[in-house]
Amino acid sequence: QVQFVQSGAEVKKPGASVKLSCKASGYTFTSYPMHWVRQAPGQRLEWMGWINTANGKTAYSQKFQGRITVTRDTSASTVYMELRNQKSEDTAVYYCAREKGWGYFDHWGQGTLVTVSS
Amino acid sequence: EIVLTQSPATLSLSPGERAALSCRANQSFSYNYLAWYQHKPGQAPRLLIYGASTRATGIPDRFSGGGSGTDYTLTISRLEPEDFAVYYCQQYAASLPYTFGQGTKLEIK
Repeated sequence: QVQFVQSGAEVKKPGASVKLSCKASGYTFTSYPMHWVRQAPGQRLEWMGWINTANGKTAYSQKFQGRITVTRDTSASTVYMELRNQKSEDTAVYYCAREKGWGYFDHWGQGTLVTVSS
Repeated sequence: EIVLTQSPATLSLSPGERAALSCRANQSFSYNYLAWYQHKPGQAPRLLIYGASTRATGIPDRFSGGGSGTDYTLTISRLEPEDFAVYYCQQYAASLPYTFGQGTKLEIK
């Protein structure tokens, strides 16, 4: 079955970077784009960016442009999301999600809590 | 950017009752590119509906979606105990970013 295993919780200081991973299994990794979505405490889900897992092409939300990089390792069926220069407002649960088609997400990872605090 | 507003913020109902959740957009978008997700604490969101009205694989038929243009609805015909959760709508129209509503919490009365 389709499954995503995300890396463990992180605690970071303001200004630091974090790199999260999301390992896929149960399907052909390069057949579906992957996205990153986050949810800060008490806030709505927020789309951050996506990667075409076949060719590595990416697109990001303007809100995170310049601070975010999404990459993939096809040999490991894993996508990564790096967020730099973190602020306290980046404290959130970060999810990877598979795009089934046209932009909706049929499978999600379990989420990774990132806490940014001095 | 398309902004989605969900109502009500909280809906208190009993098992067996019918739930109607609303999602309104600040502008119309193409092809009814709207999805609904169910989210329980500590779990991954679960896709319920895409294309405004198509149930995802394995979703019971008590869940139905409708609407077009700027107004969309998720209806749960007869609430089961496991249906109490937070529900989000999401638009995936032509231009990024994809956006979500702020959620409706469906709680047991």
